[in-house]
Amino acid sequence: NAGVMQNPRHLVRRRGQEARLRCSPMKGHSHVYWYRQLPEEGLKFMVYLQKENIIDESGMPKERFSAEFPKEGPSILRIQQVVRGDSAAYFCASSPRGFHEQYFGPGTRLTVT
Amino acid sequence: EDKVVQSPLSLVVHEGDTVTLNCSYEVTNFRSLLWYKQEKKAPTFLFMLTSSGIEKKSGRLSSILDKKELSSILNITATQTGDSAIYLCAVDVGQGAQKLVFGQGTRLTINP
Repeated sequence: NAGVMQNPRHLVRRRGQEARLRCSPMKGHSHVYWYRQLPEEGLKFMVYLQKENIIDESGMPKERFSAEFPKEGPSILRIQQVVRGDSAAYFCASSPRGFHEQYFGPGTRLTVT
Repeated sequence: EDKVVQSPLSLVVHEGDTVTLNCSYEVTNFRSLLWYKQEKKAPTFLFMLTSSGIEKKSGRLSSILDKKELSSILNITATQTGDSAIYLCAVDVGQGAQKLVFGQGTRLTINP
């Protein structure tokens, strides 16, 4: 059973470009979470999604950030018009049910130049 | 604001030593406390604790929750170099869906 997959593993964008981060949950998992980890800081919750639904986006910046988890395909975290402060590791996690331990992917390291 | 604090932030010990990592929390809604180990990549799940005073054990690792003191400890006995990692503590503060608030982590280094 493959684990949570994220791609790309490393992404470099210039200021003002768009970044698209993909997450494929573990087989059988229908709950997806996105977290951001800044250097020397803990993981910060961004958004929680189920298929075709955003359940909790209280950790998402109000502008430039969006997330989706379509009926088919991976979950996507989209950052428009990236700025240097968006440079971080973005982790995706999945779980089979809402109240269950989350399993994390390897992360996407975003660098904005 | 929900807060999870881990201590120490960094710890260096020799192989064979026993270590205790601490996690304390101040949250408005507590459902469970989780421990993860983060090496170079993905955090890997260690324990989920919901009840106070019941120790969870996996090999040389064990953890216990104290709801009265709003804290948890993670013990590692007979440490090995492979235990070197960042250990993350998280509290589920969700009211419906699970929502994890993470501490800043403890960076553990085991020297041979």
